[in-house]
Amino acid sequence: DSGVTQTPKHLITATGQRVTLRCSPRSGDLSVYWYQQSLDQGLQFLIQYYNGEERAKGNILERFSAQQFPDLHSELNLSSLELGDSALYFCASSVSGTSGVEQFFGPGTRLTVL
Amino acid sequence: AQTVTQSQPEMSVQEAETVTLSCTYDTSESDYYLFWYKQPPSRQMILVIRQEAYKQQNATENRFSVNFQKAAKSFSLKISDSQLGDAAMYFCASEGPTSGTYKYIFGTGTRLKVLA
Repeated sequence: DSGVTQTPKHLITATGQRVTLRCSPRSGDLSVYWYQQSLDQGLQFLIQYYNGEERAKGNILERFSAQQFPDLHSELNLSSLELGDSALYFCASSVSGTSGVEQFFGPGTRLTVL
Repeated sequence: AQTVTQSQPEMSVQEAETVTLSCTYDTSESDYYLFWYKQPPSRQMILVIRQEAYKQQNATENRFSVNFQKAAKSFSLKISDSQLGDAAMYFCASEGPTSGTYKYIFGTGTRLKVLA
């Protein structure tokens, strides 16, 4: 158990809908990362937050947004969902936002868009 | 642009033997980090080992070691005394500055099978 929690574990929804994925980092970790793992595109970095502020942005679609709250938990919002958004979404956390730091991954949220 | 390539979709190794997983990368940066992650059937991503590009010494973590060839942009993972629990997908990844922010790029993964 990495100490990172993600809810829900599974989510099934329809095209065009909006969902929110939640992540609670390890106690004491200030940085949160979001990743998408799909069959056709592998593992992709979406976005990083550090202490409530956006630190780095990867291949995140405009339909997706994220935020980190004062209690350091983070939410990833996915809107206007498409079939291709079906994937495993990971959250990871680290103690700092500096480069090279070890990230601890949560168990992931499996999103299925029908 | 940064790229990470894992040319071996699948590898097999006998229990207690040694196996090497290949990874090549491309970057124009001088300051970057490289990682190997393990993803067992549970799908949990676990950091195996990391290497700082400015360090010439190869990183080692117990039975796991890397062969980092900076000039060749190669970063292979060696697993010694393979165990059944090593069976998993292994992802090579790089972290480096891109347009002022650090980005993380993953390879497509190598599935490692450990034969009893």
